[in-house]
Amino acid sequence: KAGVTQTPRYLIKTRGQQVTLSCSPISGHRSVSWYQQTPGQGLQFLFEYFSETQRNKGNFPGRFSGRQFSNSRSEMNVSTLELGDSALYLCASSLQSGGYTFGSGTRLTVV
Amino acid sequence: AQTVTQSQPEMSVQEAETVTLSCTYDTSESDYYLFWYKQPPSRQMILVIRQEAYKQQNATENRFSVNFQKAAKSFSLKISDSQLGDAAMYFCAYRGSGGSNYKLTFGKGTLLTVNP
Repeated sequence: KAGVTQTPRYLIKTRGQQVTLSCSPISGHRSVSWYQQTPGQGLQFLFEYFSETQRNKGNFPGRFSGRQFSNSRSEMNVSTLELGDSALYLCASSLQSGGYTFGSGTRLTVV
Repeated sequence: AQTVTQSQPEMSVQEAETVTLSCTYDTSESDYYLFWYKQPPSRQMILVIRQEAYKQQNATENRFSVNFQKAAKSFSLKISDSQLGDAAMYFCAYRGSGGSNYKLTFGKGTLLTVNP
């Protein structure tokens, strides 16, 4: 079966712009979560959605937001980009009690 | 808050040998899940092995096995007969059960090098 698909794979944005990243989970998985990975901070949890509802949110500023659609696809948005937002953004989908399957990530560079 | 500690930033092993990666965690919960993920240069996180805290038996997946010591809050990964393809960054991760615990808490990772 198809894995978790994240688009785009690479993105270059200018400081102050906004960006939207997309994640399509494995068919049947209703939970989608997002993580930010940087060399300094490692992997940090952003938020998690289940059946279009945000169930959990990490410690990130309000510039980071997300949503989930009825087909379980999810998007995350970062507004007013800062240089420090440059990172690999990983999406993971899961069943309620199962392990998490990750996508290949979106590499965001803010210049 | 839960924390996960991987005390070995880097490890190396000879091909065909055995290596053990360490992980400790801190939690006040009695039921939870523990995972080891592998991240090769392709950057995709791949699930290596998973352990439910309520299970006494250590999980095993082919050449990968864990030593889960619940009282000591320790969860080490043993890789037997190491192969060149095992070279990657390995992350230990924790997830609570139910409630608002639908998130993974990761350690900082251990970079594993496999020497031919």
